[in-house]
Parts: sequence; C-alpha cells; structure tokens
Amino acid sequence: EAQVTQNPRYLITVTGKKLTVTCSQNMNHEYMSWYRQDPGLGLRQIYYSMNVEVTDKGDVPEGYKVSRKEKRNFPLILESPSPNQTSLYFCASRLSGLAGRHNEQFFGPGTRLTVL
Amino acid sequence: AQSVTQLDSHVSVSEGTPVLLRCNYSSSYSPSLFWYVQHPNKGLQLLLKYTSAATLVKGINGFEAEFKKSETSFHLTKPSAHMSDAAEYFCVVSAPQRTGNQFYFGTGTSLTVIP
Repeated sequence: EAQVTQNPRYLITVTGKKLTVTCSQNMNHEYMSWYRQDPGLGLRQIYYSMNVEVTDKGDVPEGYKVSRKEKRNFPLILESPSPNQTSLYFCASRLSGLAGRHNEQFFGPGTRLTVL
Repeated sequence: AQSVTQLDSHVSVSEGTPVLLRCNYSSSYSPSLFWYVQHPNKGLQLLLKYTSAATLVKGINGFEAEFKKSETSFHLTKPSAHMSDAAEYFCVVSAPQRTGNQFYFGTGTSLTVIP
C-alpha cells in the first residue's frame, strides 16, 4: 500500500531533550516536506526537500533540522525542543517538486508532540 | 506573493442541505489550487485539484469547486451534506518558487453537519 508513515504518533517530552520524528514514504517520491498544524493557523511548512541531499527552509524553520540522505526518509530533528514547538506535525511527499508540476501531496497520519 | 484566505472558520449545515466553503487566493503566477479534508484524528486527504484545465473541478464524495480567476476564488460546494462530511477543510494554493513549488495552506474551515 502506498503510504507515508511517521513515528512516533504521539510524544511527550521535556524542554531541551533532543528528539527525532521519522518519516518514510514507499512511493519513490522526490519531494518531501514537513508541516506543523496549530489551531487557527492551518498548516505551515517547516522544511522541504526536492530530492536526496537537497533541503530548503519553509515558512517556520527555526528550531528544526532535517536531513535527506535517502530518497524514502526525511526525519525531523528538534535539537532542543521548547514548549512553543508543541504542535501536530505532518510529513508529506509528492512525486516531484519541480515548478509546474502540481501533483498531489500525500500526507502521513501526523505526530502529536507535547513539550513540557 | 501567494496566500490563501478561507472566509469562514466554522460552517454549520443541516444534513441534506447544500455546502459552501469559501476560499480566495492571491498568486503572482497562474496557480494550482487544491482542497484537502481532514477528519478528526486523521491525516489530510485530497478532495480535488485545479491545474489550469477545466475551471469546474469534480472531486471525491460529491464535492466540486469552481476556479474563478476574475474573483480569485475557488469555493468548494456539495449539493447535499452527509453526516460523514463533518471535518476540517483546507484550501491550498501551489505556486512556483525559485527552488520548486511551494504549497500555502488556508487556516481551515470546520464543517459541522446537523442531523
């Protein structure tokens, strides 16, 4: 089954304790992206990746890191989480991120993160 | 610059009555537009998309949307609401950037369907 998976689905942590949220897709998609969803703000893009070893900042990248060493995986890293990063996080992938290619984004199930 | 405005944060309709969720966009380029639905505790699912072909776009579950360039609108409609339509709906504009397409989400419209 074609899908985007995220782990963990739920996480409660404390300020300053490094964490990683994994994202994996099995559709051989080039483009992957991370969003955070907050009430009243919709989804805001954190980072995206056009392909392996190519990443770029989205609208709200502060406090986050990403890496794209393999095509299928795009982990989100919080080096020193803070309470304002408490949010619902979604990973997404698309066949291509090239300009003019408006293919559908496929979303993972979400990771609910609480930072105390 | 690109942006999306969903004009209503909450919409309530009775089961069997029409649904209208409003979306206006701003884009420096010819945009592609999408509607996604998010059911409670679920991920996002694509309802429909407009990519410069027919201006009236039909999606899944009886939803459709009409692209109106003169009004910069892409409103989502359904003739008859069903209880299972209760969810959060997001309008999304995709526009080319230097490094590829970027997606911009509206803030969402929560649809309640009253029995």
